[in-house]
Amino acid sequence: AQSVAQPEDQVNVAEGNPLTVKCTYSVSGNPYLFWYVQYPNRGLQFLLKYITGDNLVKGSYGFEAEFNKSQTSFHLKKPSALVSDSALYFCAVRDYRGSYIPTFGRGTSLIVHP
Amino acid sequence: NAGVTQTPKFRILKIGQSMTLQCTQDMNHNYMYWYRQDPGMGLKLIYYSVGAGITDKGEVPNGYNVSRSTTEDFPLRLELAAPSQTSVYFCASSYLRDVQETQYFGPGTRLLVL
Repeated sequence: AQSVAQPEDQVNVAEGNPLTVKCTYSVSGNPYLFWYVQYPNRGLQFLLKYITGDNLVKGSYGFEAEFNKSQTSFHLKKPSALVSDSALYFCAVRDYRGSYIPTFGRGTSLIVHP
Repeated sequence: NAGVTQTPKFRILKIGQSMTLQCTQDMNHNYMYWYRQDPGMGLKLIYYSVGAGITDKGEVPNGYNVSRSTTEDFPLRLELAAPSQTSVYFCASSYLRDVQETQYFGPGTRLLVL
């Protein structure tokens, strides 16, 4: 079975400060991990993914995520937040040996204050 | 490419009515998915398809039906609408080619059942 947890419903950060949105996962094999962003009244958009290789993955809009196998985490980060980063962020995982269908977390609302 | 398109954008149904949510993708993707998104609950998979003529149930299939007669189209049918089906519905597609499996989402259909 595969599962993913986003422990924070909401993250608040001031513009210009670094941000972190947390994600932990559980799979029986090796994970494929994804981050998606959803702006108001829009569908989800792909940000970045970890399949294999470097533990630090760089994605769109200056976001990056670090894969930590020992902590089973894949936290999303950005060095300097923008007000326009305010959105709903979803982490997703699938076990590379299992179904090709990913499991999504409940989402974390990121609010960046001016 | 238009990507993934969904119609209608918004619909109000009376209890017991039926309707079809349309989804079309022009990327020649083999996998297609239907999700519903409820506040604070993340994305729940309703049905998915791995190719024309092949569909399978997801996490919350009750009250819905799907068909996949072509690669491009994946309509979702609600036969007897219930208030519990009030939600935002997203269609997505992906192309399973090695590890290139990013999902592409449509803009969503907002459904209100009264």
